[in-house]
Amino acid sequence: GAGVSQSPSNKVTEKGKDVELRCDPISGHTALYWYRQSLGQGLEFLIYFQGNSAPDKSGLPSDRFSAERTGGSVSTLTIQRTQQEDSAVYLCASSLGPSGHLAGNPYNEQFFGPGTRLTVL
Amino acid sequence: RKEVEQDPGPFNVPEGATVAFNCTYSNSASQSFFWYRQDCRKEPKLLMSVYSSGNEDGRFTAQLNRASQYISLLIRDSKLSDSATYLCVVNKGEGNRDDKIIFGKGTRLHILP
Repeated sequence: GAGVSQSPSNKVTEKGKDVELRCDPISGHTALYWYRQSLGQGLEFLIYFQGNSAPDKSGLPSDRFSAERTGGSVSTLTIQRTQQEDSAVYLCASSLGPSGHLAGNPYNEQFFGPGTRLTVL
Repeated sequence: RKEVEQDPGPFNVPEGATVAFNCTYSNSASQSFFWYRQDCRKEPKLLMSVYSSGNEDGRFTAQLNRASQYISLLIRDSKLSDSATYLCVVNKGEGNRDDKIIFGKGTRLHILP
């Protein structure tokens, strides 16, 4: 079956340009997460969607970053006026339901896409 | 105290040995605990959930210690293929349906031939 897909897989852009990253979650998954990971570093949480709404945007590093989700499915992460420090792998994950409480709930597992490797020159 | 804290390692362990690492969490209200595995330049994948009574999956055993607020992962008879980064994952513990999970920075494990 289809997993989480992300596009593009690689993106090289010049400093100051805008980029748009796309995530297609697993069909039926209501929760969607964006993370970024710099080389050799841990996951940095960016934003979480439940359906089309974003209860938690606390991880967005600046107002150059925004994300939306439409139809409870596809999500796009937009970075405006890219900077070199934005270079990282951007990972998207989805889960059946909120990955919070209810220990052991099967809704909790997050399935990750392969990521988009963004390089800002 | 960080929300989720792990020893970054690396742990260099000979093949066949047993290795264990812990992860501490700050919120006593957290209820969901997981170990994820991330191979080099790959996305994280769920290794196992951690249940209150502890659980085992083949060579892997996970334990939860609520009193001291840590979870542990034990790998027995380690294989070369176990080399990876192990991510500790805990829910934030806000008690609502939008509660999210927090990933630790990971512990790197190298199994040596």
